[in-house]
Amino acid sequence: DIVMTQSPDSLAVSLGERATINCKSSQSVLYSSNSKNYLAWYQQNPGQPPKLLIYWTSTRESGVPDRFSGSGSGTDFTLTISSLQAEDVAVYYCQQYYTTPYTFGQGTKLEIK
Amino acid sequence: EVQLVESGGGLVQPGRSLRLSCTASGFTFGVYAMNWVRQAPGKGLEWVGFIRNKAYGATTAYAASVKGRFTISRDDSKSIAYLQMNSLKTEDTAVYYCTRNDVVADTPFDFWGQGTLVTVSS
Repeated sequence: DIVMTQSPDSLAVSLGERATINCKSSQSVLYSSNSKNYLAWYQQNPGQPPKLLIYWTSTRESGVPDRFSGSGSGTDFTLTISSLQAEDVAVYYCQQYYTTPYTFGQGTKLEIK
Repeated sequence: EVQLVESGGGLVQPGRSLRLSCTASGFTFGVYAMNWVRQAPGKGLEWVGFIRNKAYGATTAYAASVKGRFTISRDDSKSIAYLQMNSLKTEDTAVYYCTRNDVVADTPFDFWGQGTLVTVSS
């Protein structure tokens, strides 16, 4: 199974500042035939289901603000929130959907400093 | 509007069975693979398994933790996906979400239900 490891486990950032969450996979999630990394990011608020933010490493889901961006390739990926807003307080998960079992990172709790 | 509504959760004793349903609306159900993802109280997300659409043989795959105990099926005529859970253990206690993914476009879980809580306890 592909193990997904996020860092840090929790993060406190001031409003308007940049937040960066890292995700490392135990093996590559790059599909060579289309050069796409099968890596997604989700946001989860308390008591709510996860919400898809980004897929294929850097493609924003429809309706997701452009302050959210994703980058990386192979085994190392990053979610960046360029200017933290109060509504961004949540837990963030990365996920590989390259192969089953699809696996998630352990989550990163983002708070306001 | 895309909707996924889970039902069937509740309190069940260890060793017993439970069947969850996921009723879909607002999209062409038969085009999508349907997944189940669970979240134990205060914990992270765990993919349980999925069933592909009929064009891909409606094949299934499961997490090792549930393989041999859980079975996913689908009824495209009713737009419902099922999760049959047998030989339940206390560690199966979780909120169970259903979610879809497009296996043709290779996109991940873009819509999720609100979840149904399964509590396994004597």
